[in-house]
Amino acid sequence: NAGVTQTPKFQVLKTGQSMTLQCAQDMNHNSMYWYRQDPGMGLRLIYYSASEGTTDKGEVPNGYNVSRLNKREFSLRLESAAPSQTSVYFCASRVLPGQTPYEQYFGPGTRLTVT
Amino acid sequence: TQLLEQSPQFLSIQEGENLTVYCNSSSVFSSLQWYRQEPGEGPVLLVTVVTGGEVKKLKRLTFQFGDARKDSSLHITAAQPGDTGLYLCAGPGIYGGSQGNLIFGKGTKLSVKP
Repeated sequence: NAGVTQTPKFQVLKTGQSMTLQCAQDMNHNSMYWYRQDPGMGLRLIYYSASEGTTDKGEVPNGYNVSRLNKREFSLRLESAAPSQTSVYFCASRVLPGQTPYEQYFGPGTRLTVT
Repeated sequence: TQLLEQSPQFLSIQEGENLTVYCNSSSVFSSLQWYRQEPGEGPVLLVTVVTGGEVKKLKRLTFQFGDARKDSSLHITAAQPGDTGLYLCAGPGIYGGSQGNLIFGKGTKLSVKP
C-alpha cells in the first residue's frame, strides 16, 4: 500500500516549457487535490476533483490544467511554465465518505523550478 | 474570507522544554486538523478535533479545540528533536467545503535542539 505517489520528485523547466505532474493513490479515495506550497504562503489549493469525472478550480488555478484520468490518477499540467510557478506541488486524496470528514493524505511532493 | 492564523511563525527550543502553538480564526469551523510536515515530505495528519472544548492527546502532544470552534492549540510536553517540523492547522474551506476542501494556516516551524 503506497498511499499517494507523485512523479517526478524534482524538475527544472525553462520559461515557456510545458510539463505534467503525475499523481496516483491506491486507497480507493474519491476526492483528489493539487496544492502548491510557497515560503510564507502556506498550502494553497490549485484544483480539485471531488469524484471521478469532475474537476473544479481552487484558490490559484491560473496557468494550470488538470485531468482526472480515472479514480486513481489525477494529473496537473503546466502549459507554459512561468517563474512564478516555481514551487513545491503536493497531491492529496481524501478518506472514503462516511469516515471522519476532510482528512487528507498527501504525497511526497514535486519540487519544480522554472528559470 | 476564511483565514487560519498560526502563531508563532517560528519556534526554536531546547530538548525537554514545553511549548504551545496556536491556530486562530474569526470564523467558526466544523472541525480543525493538525498536520506535521518534515523537510522534503508531505504533511501527515496528526489529529482532527470536532467538538468545541474537545481535548485530544497523542503521546506528548495535546490538542484542544476552542469552545466556540474558532481556535485550536497544540501543546508539546518535553519536546524532542524528533518533534522538529512544520506544524499546520487546517479546516474545511470555502471552495466546495462540503467536498472536503481544506484551507491551511501558514504553519509554525519548530526546531528542537538536542
